[in-house]
Amino acid sequence: KQEVTQIPAALSVPEGENLVLNCSFTDSAIYNLQWFRQDPGKGLTSLLLIQSSQREQTSGRLNASLDKSSGRSTLYIAASQPGDSATYLCAVTHNTDKLIFGTGTRLQVFP
Amino acid sequence: DAGITQSPRHKVTETGTPVTLRCHQTENHRYMYWYRQDPGHGLRLIHYSYGVKDTDKGEVSDGYSVSRSKTEDFLLTLESATSSQTSVYFCAISEDRGIFRTDTQYFGPGTRLTVL
Repeated sequence: KQEVTQIPAALSVPEGENLVLNCSFTDSAIYNLQWFRQDPGKGLTSLLLIQSSQREQTSGRLNASLDKSSGRSTLYIAASQPGDSATYLCAVTHNTDKLIFGTGTRLQVFP
Repeated sequence: DAGITQSPRHKVTETGTPVTLRCHQTENHRYMYWYRQDPGHGLRLIHYSYGVKDTDKGEVSDGYSVSRSKTEDFLLTLESATSSQTSVYFCAISEDRGIFRTDTQYFGPGTRLTVL
């Protein structure tokens, strides 16, 4: 059974820091991996999608990498801002077309 | 933002009553999904649909049923609500996937359901 784990569960950093969020999955047979952002009381917003054949994707200050063989992905946020404060979720599409989510990392960036 | 609405946004109901949540999309996407989000469990798939009248179970489908009579609407019904079904429910949509299965899912704003 595919399991997705995110570490740390919570993170608090000062504005301007570069930071890394981690996601690991137990079965490397995935089709893709996605990173989402969730603001309190809101739905999920897709940030980046990495296909299984890709190593990384970039969008603005965000960079996501994928190492399928080791079952790991990282989300790198450069020059963090208070507006980046949210919960970040990773999810994998496994041997079906269903997303399996991690429990998220709650990020707080303080001024 | 993808055109996805959920109704109601908040609902309080009593144990044993039936409840129906509605997801409506304006994107004409083929796939629609219902998830629930609970502390410590993350998001878990309840049911999904891959076309009109075509649905399948997800990870936590017991006590739930779904219907999709037209492309834009996907209904989730709690046949007899229980306190364990108190949760936040999210609908999601995605485009028809080709062989590479590359499409992302777009999420609605959620429905907070409380079963007393």
